[in-house]
Order: sequence, then C-alpha cells, then structure tokens
Amino acid sequence: DAKTTQPNSMESNEEEPVHLPCNHSTISGTDYIHWYRQLPSQGPEYVIHGLTSNVNNRMASLAIAEDRKSSTLILHRATLRDAAVYYCILNGGTSYGKLTFGQGTILTVHP
Amino acid sequence: DGGITQSPKYLFRKEGQNVTLSCEQNLNHDAMYWYRQDPGQGLRLIYYSQIVNDFQKGDIAEGYSVSREKKESFPLTVTSAQKNPTAFYLCASIRGHIKQGIKRGMTEAFFGQGTRLTVV
Repeated sequence: DAKTTQPNSMESNEEEPVHLPCNHSTISGTDYIHWYRQLPSQGPEYVIHGLTSNVNNRMASLAIAEDRKSSTLILHRATLRDAAVYYCILNGGTSYGKLTFGQGTILTVHP
Repeated sequence: DGGITQSPKYLFRKEGQNVTLSCEQNLNHDAMYWYRQDPGQGLRLIYYSQIVNDFQKGDIAEGYSVSREKKESFPLTVTSAQKNPTAFYLCASIRGHIKQGIKRGMTEAFFGQGTRLTVV
C-alpha cells in the first residue's frame, strides 16, 4: 500500500495561514489524496480530497505537486477551532477500499 | 438526517467476555470500516467491508470479528482473544466511486462518534 509521511506536529498563530505538508512518493496514478482532521475525543471529519489538480472548498485548499509525490493542505486563516490532528491518506487504484490512516500532524494554534 | 451512529458511547467489559459494538448508517454507503485508536495514537484499521456479506481484515484484525448481513449495519465483536481491548473504537462509512467501470477511489468518509471500551 502506498504510504504517507507527515510531520508529527506544527504550530501556527491565529488568523495566519497554515501549510500542512504530506509526502507520498509511492503514490500510484489512480490514488486519490484525502485529508481528514480529528478533534479530541471525536471521530475524524473530512476536509478535502483531490487527484491531480488543486482543489478548494470552504474549509481549505489542497495543493498537489505536479509529480503528485507530495501535497499540501492549506488553511488560509487558522482559528483556534482548527487545532486538531490532520491526517493525509491515499485511496484508490490498488488500495481501493482500504482506508488506512497514519499518525497525522498535531496542529496547535496560538491565540 | 442521514448519518452514522455508534452505540454505546461507553462500554465496560470484564476480562474474558466478548462484547459487540454497534455501527449503523442510513447514508446508503457501500463500504464500512472499523478502527481502533489508543491514546495519543493514530487510527488503526481492524476490518472493512465493501459490500454486503463480504469483509476483509485490516492491519490489526486478531481478536476481533465482524459481520455484514445488511448494508446499513457493521457490528464489531471484541472477543476474549483480544488481549488489550481497552481503546477508542471508531466506525466509518463511505460511498465508493466507480467511473466507467473503473474504481476511482472513495468519496468522503463519515465517522461515528466512537465507542470507548474499557476492560475492568
């Protein structure tokens, strides 16, 4: 299965942009890149996903490298409610159906 | 409202007992998943099912069993063979995405609120 690598933790100040990186050097051509986040004692919630092109939604933006070996989740203006664990995962192609999470990145937002 | 429901929220089990965690979804999703999460750790996949009457082992299936008799339901049994069952258990469902007969990857997954299992 294609794996992802994320930093263990990152910090940001409130109302500043946050760029959360994810490396997936073994990604296959049909793997989608998904991002989820998890608040304490809750189930993860979907943030965004994409295949090749950059994607935007009301929560965040996803920037995908041209070679697709890395991606970046962008929170344009961090708020205290964005403090969570962010997971970057791959799904599709040979790993279709198997949704595997890594350790994720703990994002701390300072007021 | 559509959603995914796990019950109970808290569960206590005596050592040596089997216990079943419930997961129900009314989203008409094809695939369902069970995860285990230990304190300060990420989610680890226990079992998943893409269609009714079929399921696959995840990365930590030993000591667990599942069934998928109905599309809406995917119960997880924690058996006495699971040596360290105390954990937070999460269930998820997702609608598969198939375009032109090719599996293109999943759409967004919905998670339940979790069941916190404690062995006493």
